[in-house]
This record gives sequence, structure tokens and C-alpha cells, in this order.
Amino acid sequence: SQQGEEDPQALSIQEGENATMNCSYKTSINNLQWYRQNSGRGLVHLILIRSNEREKHSGRLRVTLDTSKKSSSLLITASRAADTASYFCATDGNTGNQFYFGTGTSLTVIP
Amino acid sequence: NAGVTQTPKFQVLKTGQSMTLQCAQDMNHNSMYWYRQDPGMGLRLIYYSASEGTTDKGEVPNGYNVSRLNKREFSLRLESAAPSQTSVYFCASSPPAGPIQPQHFGDGTRLSIL
Repeated sequence: SQQGEEDPQALSIQEGENATMNCSYKTSINNLQWYRQNSGRGLVHLILIRSNEREKHSGRLRVTLDTSKKSSSLLITASRAADTASYFCATDGNTGNQFYFGTGTSLTVIP
Repeated sequence: NAGVTQTPKFQVLKTGQSMTLQCAQDMNHNSMYWYRQDPGMGLRLIYYSASEGTTDKGEVPNGYNVSRLNKREFSLRLESAAPSQTSVYFCASSPPAGPIQPQHFGDGTRLSIL
């Protein structure tokens, strides 16, 4: 399987704190994407980082990519209760049409 | 703008029964995908369709068939359901096939097979 893995599997923080989750993958990639999934809903795209980029920002989100270590991290700053969700990384595995999703990090933000 | 619509939202089947899960998108996307999501496994690709008239196997295609009916619709069929196919099924779509396009997901079909 080319699935990636997120770490930690679960994370619980207080509102206002920062949340960091990590993704490791197995094969070379063209890009890596992060998605959020609220309970009972489908996934929502958050941010995409290409293999030649090292860092990208979008609002309170900061994503880094280290292709030499085959890893990425997602930082959510100043977390809010509404950020409570599962977060998944997805890679294209350099195959073109297929995405490989990680196992997800479940984030709980306590008000 | 509905995005990606999946029907039904919930279904219970008996082992051996057949069923078709429906998916439709109104974003004029070329590519459509079917995933299953199991606890602790993330999402795994079952089948995808890069464009109207084409379908390809993903990571876990056994026990499933698909039909790309037209540009809007992509259905997933279980011919003889098995308990191992109990899962949440997600349909997704994206603009022209390629590695750089975000996918848009429906809210899933929760399928239980007894």
C-alpha cells in the first residue's frame, strides 16, 4: 500500500493553542494535499503543496514539506472549537490520477 | 450549488444482495472517484474515471463495478454484498485528471451488510 500515515492519531488541545500534525508517505510525489473531515461529512480540501515547495501558508494554516524525509506537517495556529475534525494528508504517489490518503489525525479543540 | 451528491445516505443489506450507489456532480468536472473509508484505514480508492467513457481500477476494486453514465454521474455497484464491504463510501470529483487538482467530496453513503 502507498498509504501515508498521520501522527499523532489523536490530539486534544485548548482553544487558542496551536495544533501540529505530521504525515509520512512512502513514494515520490508531485504534490501533497491536506483535507479536513467533520464528523459525518465528506472531506474538504484545505491546502496543496507541490514537491518543489517547502512551505505554504493559507490563513491560520501552515504546511511544510520535506521530500528528503518523505514527510509533511500541518500547523493550525490559534485553534478554535470549530477546528475539531479529522485531518488527512493525500499524495498522488507520482502516478497521475490516483490519490493515496493517510490514516488521519483526530483533532479535538476544547473551548 | 449542490457540488457532489450521493444517494442513498444510509443502507442496510443482507449478504448476497446487490446494490448500486449513485453519485452526481454539478461542477462540470471531468474526473470522478469512489473511495471507501474504514476505521483506522483512511480512504482507499476503489475505482476512478478520468473522463467520460473511461474507468480504471484503484487500490481495492475487488467485489465492485462502476459505470460512468455521463459526465455528471458515476455509479458504484456491489453485485453480491459481503460483510467485508461494510464501510462508508465516498464519491469525489475533480477538474481534468491530474495530480494537482483538489478533489470535491460528497457526504458519503453509510453501508452495513449483515
